[in-house]
Amino acid sequence: GAVVSQHPSWVICKSGTSVKIECRSLDFQATTMFWYRQFPKQSLMLMATSNEGSKATYEQGVEKDKFLINHASLTLSTLTVTSAHPEDSSFYICSARTWGKDYGYTFGSGTRLTVV
Amino acid sequence: GESVGLHLPTLSVQEGDNSIINCAYSNSASDYFIWYKQESGKGPQFIIDIRSNMDKRQGQRVTVLLNKTVKHLSLQIAATQPGDSAVYFCAENIQGAQKLVFGQGTRLTINP
Repeated sequence: GAVVSQHPSWVICKSGTSVKIECRSLDFQATTMFWYRQFPKQSLMLMATSNEGSKATYEQGVEKDKFLINHASLTLSTLTVTSAHPEDSSFYICSARTWGKDYGYTFGSGTRLTVV
Repeated sequence: GESVGLHLPTLSVQEGDNSIINCAYSNSASDYFIWYKQESGKGPQFIIDIRSNMDKRQGQRVTVLLNKTVKHLSLQIAATQPGDSAVYFCAENIQGAQKLVFGQGTRLTINP
């Protein structure tokens, strides 16, 4: 079945620095990927829809200059958290839309970001 | 029984009993629904899905029921096992927007 790989699985960064998270579709092409954020004991909140070759579509309340999304190829989307602060510490999860026999959404394993 | 915690509701069941997890979804235009299981520190794991033109779908030990009239979705797990302990989320695909939105989630705990 479809596999989405997310890297890194965890990262610790200093306040004020930027960190990049990668989301790759391993055995299929993903024109559309999604980025979610999950705080402890809460649900997954959709941040943005990443479209290959075009600008991402951000959900209401999500700062596009804070969370930069790039989807330059059919197998890779990246999320960059710029000028990170402790309140950005969270679990970030990507997913890809899949079609055909794997119809649905396939999720990565998540990235635990801790900003100190 | 069910209880509402600080964030996630919790359902506690005896091992071997059946579990029923409920979900209310928000958008009448949603055309596809998925139940996910999430273990601590991991991404969501697909359990079962159902399209809006169906009202019931069965998998191995799991059944999903969809009631579009009241916008309600349920997940039934038969003969609950310790390995079923996790947080369960329903998610709805917003037709047109083609994006997946998650419900609140329920923590399932198994009593031995």
